Amino acid sequence: SQKIEQNSEALNIQEGKTATLTCNYTNYSPAYLQWYRQDPGRGPVFLLLIRENEKEKRKERLKVTFDTTLKQSLFHITASQPADSATYLCALYNAGNMLTFGGGTRLMVKP
Amino acid sequence: DVKVTQSSRYLVKRTGEKVFLECVQDMDHENMFWYRQDPGLGLRLIYFSYDVKMKEKGDIPEGYSVSREKKERFSLILESASTNQTSMYLCASSLHRVEGYTFGSGTRLTVV
Repeated sequence: SQKIEQNSEALNIQEGKTATLTCNYTNYSPAYLQWYRQDPGRGPVFLLLIRENEKEKRKERLKVTFDTTLKQSLFHITASQPADSATYLCALYNAGNMLTFGGGTRLMVKP
Repeated sequence: DVKVTQSSRYLVKRTGEKVFLECVQDMDHENMFWYRQDPGLGLRLIYFSYDVKMKEKGDIPEGYSVSREKKERFSLILESASTNQTSMYLCASSLHRVEGYTFGSGTRLTVV
């Protein structure tokens, strides 16, 4: 079955730096990959969708890459702010076209 | 903005009770989903629906059922609640199958 790995350890960075989060997957080659943000006690909020032929996608301070050879997506937040502190979830479609989520990585941006 | 509304934020039920979790979306989305989220296990898909009166099992359907009588409403039913169903339940919707989902705020269910 599809396995999605995100670093379960929190990522701590200083305000203004670029945060880079990693999502690795196995056993399948999804055509699409999504990233979500989740704050404590709330539902996830959709951020970006990237297709396998796009390689890179940007939205304001966010950038996502999708390397189908490495089976990896990287999620970057440039000029990070304390308000960016949250858990970030990677999700991809499995063979049954159902969206499967990774466990998420918690990002802490310190002022 | 699309809104997905879950009827309760917090719910406490007794073992063996029949529990209904309601979810309503207001943007005519075709697709609706129920996930549960547990520490260390992430979000897991319970059931989903691509149309009215249609339902499909997700990864962990055991102990649950669903109902979609109207397009905007997708209900999750715990036939006989058990303590291992204590969890955060999240409803989501989308217009197309491949696009970002809109999630509700979640219902934290505790079964005692």
